[in-house]
Amino acid sequence: NAGVTQTPKFQVLKTGQSMTLQCAQDMNHEYMSWYRQDPGMGLRLIHYSVGAGITDQGEVPNGYNVSRSTTEDFPLRLLSAAPSQTSVYFCASKKGQGGTEAFFGQGTRLTVV
Amino acid sequence: GENVEQHPSTLSVQEGDSAVIKCTYSDSASNYFPWYKQELGKRPQLIIDIRSNVGEKKDQRIAVTLNKTAKHFSLHITETQPEDSAVYFCAASIIQGAQKLVFGQGTRLTINP
Repeated sequence: NAGVTQTPKFQVLKTGQSMTLQCAQDMNHEYMSWYRQDPGMGLRLIHYSVGAGITDQGEVPNGYNVSRSTTEDFPLRLLSAAPSQTSVYFCASKKGQGGTEAFFGQGTRLTVV
Repeated sequence: GENVEQHPSTLSVQEGDSAVIKCTYSDSASNYFPWYKQELGKRPQLIIDIRSNVGEKKDQRIAVTLNKTAKHFSLHITETQPEDSAVYFCAASIIQGAQKLVFGQGTRLTINP
């Protein structure tokens, strides 16, 4: 039972490079989201999706793009990496209506040099 | 949008004592309040949640209280044990609609033997 799977677990990028963080879930959850975790700042919402073809911005969307072509996958794209994007990134998914448990992936530790 | 403030940022208690973590939220429409526990190097996991139609919920040594009028909710851990050491996050969302889950800044709880 895989749950929410994120790849890669660790990544080092040079400033200006682009990359995609992958997130896949096998629970048929409608809602998926991306958070970044920085010391003392909790989990901040980057982008979220309430279903295939539907995405919206969270608290800190600048510098990131998302798409949701299938229910299972929700990739996060860094267009031109900056040192300020050094963080731990978590993908989460949950069933449709609110008030249900969010399941998190294992996280991706990204360092931009 | 919703803003969740969490206090304290760090908390140290003796094993066997109680710990209390407090959160306030800004959007009176929020009606679902979960708490997540994140052990070192691990992903956040749900430990308890409460909906706005109840004032208190208990699960063994863990309880959550909600004051809708004051827009604050608290996590209470009794008879603390070393395995309770972790970072705890509160969150708020609206069950209907966009379902964005907004987190507080986190509390690092340390249980001293």
